[in-house]
Amino acid sequence: GIQVEQSPPDLILQEGANSTLRCNFSDSVNNLQWFHQNPWGQLINLFYIPSGTKQNGRLSATTVATERYSLLYISSSQTTDSGVYFCAAYSGTYKYIFGTGTRLKVLA
Amino acid sequence: DGGITQSPKYLFRKEGQNVTLSCEQNLNHDAMYWYRQDPGQGLRLIYYSQIVNDFQKGDIAEGYSVSREKKESFPLTVTSAQKNPTAFYLCASSAQGRTEAFFGQGTRLTVV
Repeated sequence: GIQVEQSPPDLILQEGANSTLRCNFSDSVNNLQWFHQNPWGQLINLFYIPSGTKQNGRLSATTVATERYSLLYISSSQTTDSGVYFCAAYSGTYKYIFGTGTRLKVLA
Repeated sequence: DGGITQSPKYLFRKEGQNVTLSCEQNLNHDAMYWYRQDPGQGLRLIYYSQIVNDFQKGDIAEGYSVSREKKESFPLTVTSAQKNPTAFYLCASSAQGRTEAFFGQGTRLTVV
């Protein structure tokens, strides 16, 4: 089945810094989502982005489906951005497969 | 409010007992999913269902069972055959399989 890999696994930033998180997938996908898992464990939807670029405030995402990767950009990071970021790829076998996540810590 | 409700938030179980986790959605979604998350790990798929009365095993289905008798409900039973059931369980739904998925708040199961 499809494999989803995220990098880097861990990231520490000073408040105000920018960062790029990457998600690679091993096969063509129908859809891709980015999530932020908060300290209580809930998954918050960030982007639903099968292809192209989307922006929401300080966050933006780009998926290049033909090259099998997606990027999540965080600009002017804040301490509230801390947590785990997951990408999930929807394969043709009717399910979302998750990457192992990027653990982000933003220092004040 | 539309959304996905998981209950209970916290659950304690004695070894050898079966326990059922509830997942209800009022989004009129066809597809529903159960995932397991261990500390510091990603999410692994247990079971998924595309329509009522049909469901498929995910990557780690052993020791779990599900039913899908109603569109809005997809309960997960953790059986005594599951060797290491302590984990965080997340339920999700989407309108159709390939559309945007939304998650409930999760249930933390601890075996004591």
